[in-house]
Amino acid sequence: GAVVSQHPSWVICKSGTSVKIECRSLDFQATTMFWYRQFPKQSLMLMATSNEGSKATYEQGVEKDKFLINHASLTLSTLTVTSAHPEDSSFYICSAREVGFDTQYFGPGTRLTVL
Amino acid sequence: EDQVTQSPEALRLQEGESSSLNCSYTVSGLRGLFWYRQDPGKGPEFLFTLYSAGEEKEKERLKATLTKKESFLHITAPKPEDSATYLCAVPGGSYIPTFGRGTSLIVHP
Repeated sequence: GAVVSQHPSWVICKSGTSVKIECRSLDFQATTMFWYRQFPKQSLMLMATSNEGSKATYEQGVEKDKFLINHASLTLSTLTVTSAHPEDSSFYICSAREVGFDTQYFGPGTRLTVL
Repeated sequence: EDQVTQSPEALRLQEGESSSLNCSYTVSGLRGLFWYRQDPGKGPEFLFTLYSAGEEKEKERLKATLTKKESFLHITAPKPEDSATYLCAVPGGSYIPTFGRGTSLIVHP
């Protein structure tokens, strides 16, 4: 149980294009989903928190117009990196918290490379 | 502000050599403490949630314990496949977690 999937697992795109990453909770309903970014050999950096049907809450320093987050249902959240640039290249990981429970379950991550 | 500090940053063990990882925390009111394992290029894998001082949980060669100020992840007779980064986290407001920087464990055969 408590499986979170992400799609795609890796993506390469050209500078200036937009990329959408999907995060799904497969066997539970998630009131809250989180989006993280991780640089090599560093810990997780929280980008934003999203609640189903509400606007996402972004952490300080994260551009909300560049990283668009939509949490349209209790099982799906999407992160769109708009007008991507090479400095946006990173490992993006989502997590989901089940309704009524505290534990977060993480997806497998998406490796984004912007050329 | 919630703080989580993990030590050591890196740990090298021989197969079978037991040891412990430490996670010390400062929170306004503990609502749980989580342990995760992260392999390179993958998302963190949930291991344990501990809620109160004195609580212990076990999974295979891993045992997590919790006191009022810290948590330990004990690894008994580790194997090379236990090599990973181990992360601990505490939930803050709105259950937004604060993560430690992790302990990178390498177990040599």
